[in-house]
Amino acid sequence: DSGVTQTPKHLITATGQRVTLRCSPRSGDLSVYWYQQSLDQGLQFLIQYYNGEERAKGNILERFSAQQFPDLHSELNLSSLELGDSALYFCASSVEGLAWKDTQYFGPGTRLTVL
Amino acid sequence: GDSVTQMEGPVTLSEEAFLTINCTYTATGYPSLFWYVQYPGEGLQLLLKATKADDKGSNKGFEATYRKETTSFHLEKGSVQVSDSAVYFCALSDSSDTGNQFYFGTGTSLTVIP
Repeated sequence: DSGVTQTPKHLITATGQRVTLRCSPRSGDLSVYWYQQSLDQGLQFLIQYYNGEERAKGNILERFSAQQFPDLHSELNLSSLELGDSALYFCASSVEGLAWKDTQYFGPGTRLTVL
Repeated sequence: GDSVTQMEGPVTLSEEAFLTINCTYTATGYPSLFWYVQYPGEGLQLLLKATKADDKGSNKGFEATYRKETTSFHLEKGSVQVSDSAVYFCALSDSSDTGNQFYFGTGTSLTVIP
């Protein structure tokens, strides 16, 4: 158990809908990262937050947004969902958010299925 | 842009066999390199890392050396066990105008048979 929790575990929804994925980092970790893992695109970095502020942005679509709250939990919002958004979404956390040296601890993921 | 290329799988080995999973990278800056492991139904776990050229990362009998001259970070283990069966991802972290970026290889599935 990494100490990172993600809810829900599974999510099934329809095209055009909007969903929110939630992540709670390990106790003491200030940084949160979001990743998307799909069969065709592999594992892709989406976005990183540190202590409530956006720190780095990867291949995140404009239909997706994220935020980190004062209690350090984070939410990833996916809107106008398409079939291709079906994937496993991982959250990870680290202490300082210094990607070049921090160890990232991954949650178990949220499996999103868009029908 | 930056990228990571790793050996295609799946790889099947007998217990106690020698393992090599190849990983090469392309980067514009001075990246840090990582190997992550994903066991079935779980998230990724950091296996080892190296933050500069010639560094060797090691953990649980696995090793990888950051080779700048060949832009490689191959994963090796002298004697694999059944419990090593998992998917292994090579990754790099590099700085950019939009902050640190992370790039993962496609993953190599390893099955170790008794």
